Amino acid sequence: DQQVKQNSPSLSVQEGRISILNCDYTNSMFDYFLWYKKYPAEGPTFLISISSIKDKNEDGRFTVFLNKSAKHLSLHIVPSQPGDSAVYFCAARTVGGSQGNLIFGKGTKLSVKP
Amino acid sequence: GAGVSQSPSNKVTEKGKDVELRCDPISGHTALYWYRQSLGQGLEFLIYFQGNSAPDKSGLPSDRFSAERTGGSVSTLTIQRTQQEDSAVYLCASSLTPSSSYNEQFFGPGTRLTVL
Repeated sequence: DQQVKQNSPSLSVQEGRISILNCDYTNSMFDYFLWYKKYPAEGPTFLISISSIKDKNEDGRFTVFLNKSAKHLSLHIVPSQPGDSAVYFCAARTVGGSQGNLIFGKGTKLSVKP
Repeated sequence: GAGVSQSPSNKVTEKGKDVELRCDPISGHTALYWYRQSLGQGLEFLIYFQGNSAPDKSGLPSDRFSAERTGGSVSTLTIQRTQQEDSAVYLCASSLTPSSSYNEQFFGPGTRLTVL
């Protein structure tokens, strides 16, 4: 039973336009949500996070929105650049219990076309 | 400073053989995690070490999997009697300490394991 779901396995966007990557979750005990970016043959790298007490966090071209009532978060990249082409993983951390391990979605492969 | 390193980068083995995967975390990071990513899947948590505490093994898929962390630094993930379904990329990550707020996990490049 997946607790973190990324229902779109791939997304293609034109350079300069907005990329919107979506993520849904089922566990209301998650306290942090994170986005990781992964290039082929490399480990995931942290991109941006948001605490469950906030609804928006912005860092340069990247903004993460959290809708707790809908158990939904999204990552907006604007403007999209060809170097943004990678697999993006949504992840969540549970309050209490085992401190630290993250639960990941299956990822969305973003392709930004010049 | 060096990031998380893993070795080997690729490992091909025959079904039934044992394999050992190594992870060198970032110096000073007390928390260490192992994940694996099977084809078309997300990252699956395997095991977590924090300081001298007993590891959280709740993610290990079977008793063929084990891991240890010596001296609070280097970790080895061992898979005994490998099966074809063990084929995946095994990722190691470390962080300063989970504490009560989020601490970024830094990932290594992974070991791609192929069981023939």
